[in-house]
Amino acid sequence: GNSVTQMEGPVTLSEEAFLTINCTYTATGYPSLFWYVQYPGEGLQLLLKATKADDKGSNKGFEATYRKETTSFHLEKGSVQVSDSAVYFCALTEGGGYQKVTFGTGTKLQVIP
Amino acid sequence: EPEVTQTPSHQVTQMGQEVILRCVPISNHLYFYWYRQILGQKVEFLVSFYNNEISEKSEIFDDQFSVERPDGSNFTLKIRSTKLEDSAMYFCASTLGQGPTGYTFGSGTRLTVV
Repeated sequence: GNSVTQMEGPVTLSEEAFLTINCTYTATGYPSLFWYVQYPGEGLQLLLKATKADDKGSNKGFEATYRKETTSFHLEKGSVQVSDSAVYFCALTEGGGYQKVTFGTGTKLQVIP
Repeated sequence: EPEVTQTPSHQVTQMGQEVILRCVPISNHLYFYWYRQILGQKVEFLVSFYNNEISEKSEIFDDQFSVERPDGSNFTLKIRSTKLEDSAMYFCASTLGQGPTGYTFGSGTRLTVV
């Protein structure tokens, strides 16, 4: 079956530091990959996505590149802000986009001023 | 931007009681889902619904759970006899299904069983 593995948190960074959250996946087919973000007390929001190998998803300064050879989709941001403090979930779906989402365990990011 | 709306945002119920969690998916979406997140744990798939029937369900979705789309706009999750371990955040989601666009999730209902 499908699975997503994320680095364990929490990750604590100072403002303006560089962020990397590692994510690797196992899939039987050719998945689409996503990062979702959950701010404190809120629901899940789609942060970015990539649908094929070498695609780069980007949004709000965050980026992730679909690496088929290493089955990875690491999340990066060059300069984090306090407002980026949240839980980040790596996820995948297979098939036509209507298949269920398989989530990683989530990585909590805390950015301190 | 279209939203998936969930009500209530927080519900407290006594063990053994029935609860209904409500969701209004995005109007032109065709596939509907329920997920849950036990506090501090991963988000887990419960059930998917398409064309007025369940298309897939997880092991968690046992006979105590049911889903319904009663009127073409609402999508409900019913838990017949709640247990303490049903306490979780429940997320509704919908997608158009054409291509891997990613889901739109609601903001969740926090269910507390006491």
